[in-house]
Amino acid sequence: EVRLVESGGGLVQPGRSLRLSCAASGFTFDDYAMHWVRQAPGKGLEWVSGISWNSGKIGYADSVKGRFTISRDNAQNSLYLQMSSLTTADTAFYYCAKDINPFGELLHGYFDYWGHGTLVTVSS
Amino acid sequence: DIVMTQTPLSLSVTPGQPASISCKSSQSLLHSDGQTSLYWYLQRPGQPPQLLMYEVSNRFSGVPDRFSGSGSGTDFTLNISRVEAEDVGIYYCMQSIQLLFTFGQGTKLEIK
Repeated sequence: EVRLVESGGGLVQPGRSLRLSCAASGFTFDDYAMHWVRQAPGKGLEWVSGISWNSGKIGYADSVKGRFTISRDNAQNSLYLQMSSLTTADTAFYYCAKDINPFGELLHGYFDYWGHGTLVTVSS
Repeated sequence: DIVMTQTPLSLSVTPGQPASISCKSSQSLLHSDGQTSLYWYLQRPGQPPQLLMYEVSNRFSGVPDRFSGSGSGTDFTLNISRVEAEDVGIYYCMQSIQLLFTFGQGTKLEIK
């Protein structure tokens, strides 16, 4: 059974940093691209970032480019999102999502499994 | 960035009746390899999104056949032939032909 469990969310002040983690199990993690998608409370979905299976291809939404860094540790079956210079606009549930394509390079990717999310609240 | 526009933003449907959601993209989602990178997700209340349809018209594993997708280029439609109570939630279309993936605003389906 595929499981994606996010952690690391919480309350953080504007301008500070936070690191999210996603622990994956139930599939061959290093074969698949992975993504972060966020959802502000009561709002729609926003793709944040994606990373290919070997970290060779990475993409970011314009809203987070230069502030967020996605990474993965295939030995630990883990995905990360380092977030810095946080603003109130970054307040959201952050979902970890598995790409359906093995050895995909992000383009044409889509998500077959999602975690339940971790809430990041940016507030003073 | 490719803008995805869904209509309507909400709909209320009697069980057993059909429902239809439109999704229009600001650019063609047809790739030169013939693949169209348009997907549909359903987010039930309190749950993460789940994949319904991929590449316009292919049902994901376990998705009932009352769901169907159609369209090409920039215009796409998700149809539910007979709405059931479990179909309640927010439906999103998504494109991934560009690396900056984008979602539609979402369409909230309620049961009358």
